[in-house]
Amino acid sequence: ETGVTQSPTHLIKTRGQQVTLRCSSQSGHNTVSWYQQALGQGPQFIFQYYREEENGRGNFPPRFSGLQFPNYSSELNVNALELDDSALYLCASSLAETSGFEQYFGPGTRLTVT
Amino acid sequence: KQEVTQIPAALSVPEGENLVLNCSFTDSAIYNLQWFRQDPGKGLTSLLLIQSSQREQTSGRLNASLDKSSGRSTLYIAASQPGDSATYLCAARDQTGANNLFFGTGTRLTVIP
Repeated sequence: ETGVTQSPTHLIKTRGQQVTLRCSSQSGHNTVSWYQQALGQGPQFIFQYYREEENGRGNFPPRFSGLQFPNYSSELNVNALELDDSALYLCASSLAETSGFEQYFGPGTRLTVT
Repeated sequence: KQEVTQIPAALSVPEGENLVLNCSFTDSAIYNLQWFRQDPGKGLTSLLLIQSSQREQTSGRLNASLDKSSGRSTLYIAASQPGDSATYLCAARDQTGANNLFFGTGTRLTVIP
């Protein structure tokens, strides 16, 4: 069984640029959630996708957008990067039909905006 | 909006000691509560998940309890080891919509050999 993977591991971007982060869900999982974790803070929910549709969104502006593909892999896109977007971005996959909605997290992508 | 608080923010204990990490949440209408471990710069590893109908869960040296009515959960670690050094995060799962997790800011644990 393959776990959740994310790419790239690290990324450095300049303010105003756009970035795409990628996540490959655990085998068999149909739901993916994205979280932003600033230094010293707990992760904050960005949004969730279920069967390629956005299924919920946290308090993040529209410049944070996502996609989920038929194979349940996912992308997080951030436009017009700001310095405060510097954080660890985590994706988590789960199988919606199981009890508990237990989520399995990937290792994260460290984004630095300069 | 659900708010999750973890106390203490940091804890340093000698090897072998038993310890308790605390988590409190403001909205008792949760689906379940999950404890995670995070090593520096890494992702989250799930430790224990307690359903809202349960009182506790155990895995090895770890025991987590849940008191929904008082909005509290504790993680008990027995006979701590240096390898337990990490940040421990608790997260309450929302009952509605995306069932997303609301995280605390974590307790950074250091176990001294």
